[in-house]
Amino acid sequence: NAGVTQTPKFQVLKTGQSMTLQCAQDMNHNSMYWYRQDPGMGLRLIYYSASEGTTDKGEVPNGYNVSRLNKREFSLRLESAAPSQTSVYFCASRSGVETGNTIYFGEGSWLTVV
Amino acid sequence: DQQVKQNSPSLSVQEGRISILNCDYTNSMFDYFLWYKKYPAEGPTFLISISSIKDKNEDGRFTVFLNKSAKHLSLHIVPSQPGDSAVYFCAARDGYNFNKFYFGSGTKLNVKP
Repeated sequence: NAGVTQTPKFQVLKTGQSMTLQCAQDMNHNSMYWYRQDPGMGLRLIYYSASEGTTDKGEVPNGYNVSRLNKREFSLRLESAAPSQTSVYFCASRSGVETGNTIYFGEGSWLTVV
Repeated sequence: DQQVKQNSPSLSVQEGRISILNCDYTNSMFDYFLWYKKYPAEGPTFLISISSIKDKNEDGRFTVFLNKSAKHLSLHIVPSQPGDSAVYFCAARDGYNFNKFYFGSGTKLNVKP
C-alpha cells in the first residue's frame, strides 16, 4: 500500500535555484494538495488540484507553481528558491464523500534554502 | 490570521489517564472537522472526524466533541497510552469549497509511562 509518495525526502538548495517536488498517489483520488508546515503555523495550503487538468491557489501560493500531470501525479515547482521557502512540504490526496472524505498525506519533503 | 487555533502547544499526561486536546475556530462556514496525528519525520495520519451536524463521534479510545455555538472542538483519548505521544492537528473544512482545509498549529502530547 503505497498511498501518497513524494520525492525527494531531503533537499538543500541555494537561493535562486529551482527544483520540483514530485508526488504520486495510487488511491484513484480526484483531489490532490500541496501543504507546507512551519513551526507554530500548522499546515498551510499552497496549491490544490480538484481534478486532473485543474489547479487552484491556496493560502500561500506565491513563489510556487504546480502541475497536475495526470490523475496520479501532482508536482510542485520552486522557480527561484528563497530562504523563506525553507519548510517541510507535504503532498496529499483526498478521498471522496462516499469513502470518508479524508485527506491522506505523504511522508514529507524537508527543504532547506541557504 | 489563523482560522483554526490550538492554543496549547504541548500537553503531558500520565498513562491510563484522559488526554483532552482542544481546538477553536472562527469561521462559521466550516462544516467538517478532522483530527490528525503526526509522528516525527512522518506525514500526518487521519484519526477521527466529525460533521457539523453532530456533536460527538467515537472511535475506540478516541472521541471528538463539537460545540458549534462556542466554535470549539476537543479530542478525548481514554485511556492514554505511551504510543499516543505525538503531535495532534485539528483541521476544518470550508463548507463553500470542499478542497480547502485549514489546520491548527498542533499540540504535542506526551504520555508518560
